[in-house]
Amino acid sequence: SAVISQKPSRDICQRGTSLTIQCQVDSQVTMMFWYRQQPGQSLTLIATANQGSEATYESGFVIDKFPISRPNLTFSTLTVSNMSPEDSSIYLCSVAGTDTQYFGPGTRLTVL
Amino acid sequence: SQQGEEDPQALSIQEGENATMNCSYKTSINNLQWYRQNSGRGLVHLILIRSNEREKHSGRLRVTLDTSKKSSSLLITASRAADTASYFCATDPGGSYIPTFGRGTSLIVHP
Repeated sequence: SAVISQKPSRDICQRGTSLTIQCQVDSQVTMMFWYRQQPGQSLTLIATANQGSEATYESGFVIDKFPISRPNLTFSTLTVSNMSPEDSSIYLCSVAGTDTQYFGPGTRLTVL
Repeated sequence: SQQGEEDPQALSIQEGENATMNCSYKTSINNLQWYRQNSGRGLVHLILIRSNEREKHSGRLRVTLDTSKKSSSLLITASRAADTASYFCATDPGGSYIPTFGRGTSLIVHP
């Protein structure tokens, strides 16, 4: 299993600003994943972050809006740039286990 | 992409009753997983059932899988107020560790 922490747990931000979310894992992992969960909706994969290479973004998500860093095997950041109210969501990072995924507690973002 | 769809979207029951949630999916899978999410928090993995399995138990949880109907069910027996959460199914077509999630069933268990 893996224990994942995220910072911040929640934030309220103004339109046009950016927020960087941190994800820390208690063990070394190759791939880390970032998800978005809009209110009342399912989880949507934003991107897969591999250490030492560019993140791979899913359709509908772009690097300029959601830049990701992966400086080592236990840490990643997701930045939500130039935020609008439509970015209000829970953002979750996760790592792959054997046949499952382990999730962080999420970051609840509200954009005013 | 493939997606599981849970049914019902919302379920409200009394403590002690059983809760049944269903999941349907569209194409072949390697396995199907159920996750639980407490209000606004991260997801917790509950149980995995492989495509060659038909039923699996874990404590008060029972999961069934019918690959011919492309459906699965999650039964929580003798529910407790602490079971109040959203429950998601996630399908894995194989070859990756990136499951696709459904919209979830919101379960409320009244004490």
